Amino acid sequence: DAGITQSPRHKVTETGTPVTLRCHQTENHRYMYWYRQDPGHGLRLIHYSYGVKDTDKGEVSDGYSVSRSKTEDFLLTLESATSSQTSVYFCAISGSTSFTDTQYFGPGTRLTVL
Amino acid sequence: QKEVEQDPGPLSVPEGAIVSLNCTYSNSAFQYFMWYRQYSRKGPELLMYTYSSGNKEDGRFTAQVDKSSKYISLFIRDSQPSDSATYLCAMTTGNQFYFGTGTSLTVIP
Repeated sequence: DAGITQSPRHKVTETGTPVTLRCHQTENHRYMYWYRQDPGHGLRLIHYSYGVKDTDKGEVSDGYSVSRSKTEDFLLTLESATSSQTSVYFCAISGSTSFTDTQYFGPGTRLTVL
Repeated sequence: QKEVEQDPGPLSVPEGAIVSLNCTYSNSAFQYFMWYRQYSRKGPELLMYTYSSGNKEDGRFTAQVDKSSKYISLFIRDSQPSDSATYLCAMTTGNQFYFGTGTSLTVIP
């Protein structure tokens, strides 16, 4: 398995509270991604990073922010969680040289916003 | 119209059957095509990876790409109960990844 860990693995929080999810890799891969997975929608890209301090928005970025201060860590923050952000969140990493390399996924974080 | 369309199933087959999973897409710029397997409450894991048109075989799995029809397939021969999972297709232009919604497969012993 690719060396990707996510924390926490499960979280229950209340509407309006801030939440930060962490993705940590030991593969030294350049690209890191945050996805959410919901029934009927499949995997949807939230944000991605192409290097330290270099990030860009994905398809469903509203309400989310990210930061990458080190190669190995990519943080996803929900500034003020809403019930619509209840989902399973996956981090992924890809290629050391090219965006076209395949992605390897972490185990996921199950987030429930009450 | 979604970039990638995938029949969600569910698909249920007896052990030993040949399984065919399919995706269609609309963007002719897609060049790299992948299949992922996702077990319940786990992250997707890469199963097959192909570039451009043609077939690629790996054990009981064969990935097929037909760029003229914008159609990709995954065939599983001699299906096993351990193949029961959701299968996701994915493709990329090199700038963005697009995933299908997944097909749920159950192989009955």
